[in-house]
Amino acid sequence: SQTIHQWPATLVQPVGSPLSLECTVEGTSNPNLYWYRQAAGRGLQLLFYSVGIGQISSEVPQNLSASRPQDRQFILSSKKLLLSDSGFYLCAWTWTSSSYNSPLHFGNGTRLTVT
Amino acid sequence: AQSVTQPDIHITVSEGASLELRCNYSYGATPYLFWYVQSPGQGLQLLLKYFSGDTLVQGIKGFEAEFKRSQSSFNLRKPSVHWSDAAEYFCAVGARRRGSTLGRLYFGRGTQLTVWP
Repeated sequence: SQTIHQWPATLVQPVGSPLSLECTVEGTSNPNLYWYRQAAGRGLQLLFYSVGIGQISSEVPQNLSASRPQDRQFILSSKKLLLSDSGFYLCAWTWTSSSYNSPLHFGNGTRLTVT
Repeated sequence: AQSVTQPDIHITVSEGASLELRCNYSYGATPYLFWYVQSPGQGLQLLLKYFSGDTLVQGIKGFEAEFKRSQSSFNLRKPSVHWSDAAEYFCAVGARRRGSTLGRLYFGRGTQLTVWP
């Protein structure tokens, strides 16, 4: 069966510090991978998605970047965090080829607080 | 443009009462519809999905949803709510990118469910 791991679970970082959140998927190959951010009362905002190694699409301009160095690894980064980067970050995957009719499978999320 | 509206930000029901969470979508083609549930501090879990066929779909945990094309709705229901159902519920529509087989899910802003004992 497929599993998705996301870490760390919680993170408190000062403004201006770097960020690295990691997500890995097991039990499948060539998944579509996603990073979402969830802010209170604002639902889920798609940040990045990837259909393959080194292929990253950004949905919104922001202070963050993503990378996919391996097939089942997806990393969310920032060089300098802003207060507005605080939120709950979720990694997710779907089966490849047609992501609009495939359910998303989510990790347990990372609670990021920028102080 | 694709969008999902969940009109109720917060709903409170008593344990044992029936539940209906509303979801309206905007999408020009045949929609692929999903309901997810999120417990505090956790990721989202798929409750059920509609792709085609029978407009009443059954999901996990005793939930069901009915697709009504004429109303552009996909409301989630449960006949008798349990205290463990307290969570946030998200409706989503899958939309294909023009000229591509790829697409993405568009989520509503969620409905927070509180269950009174």
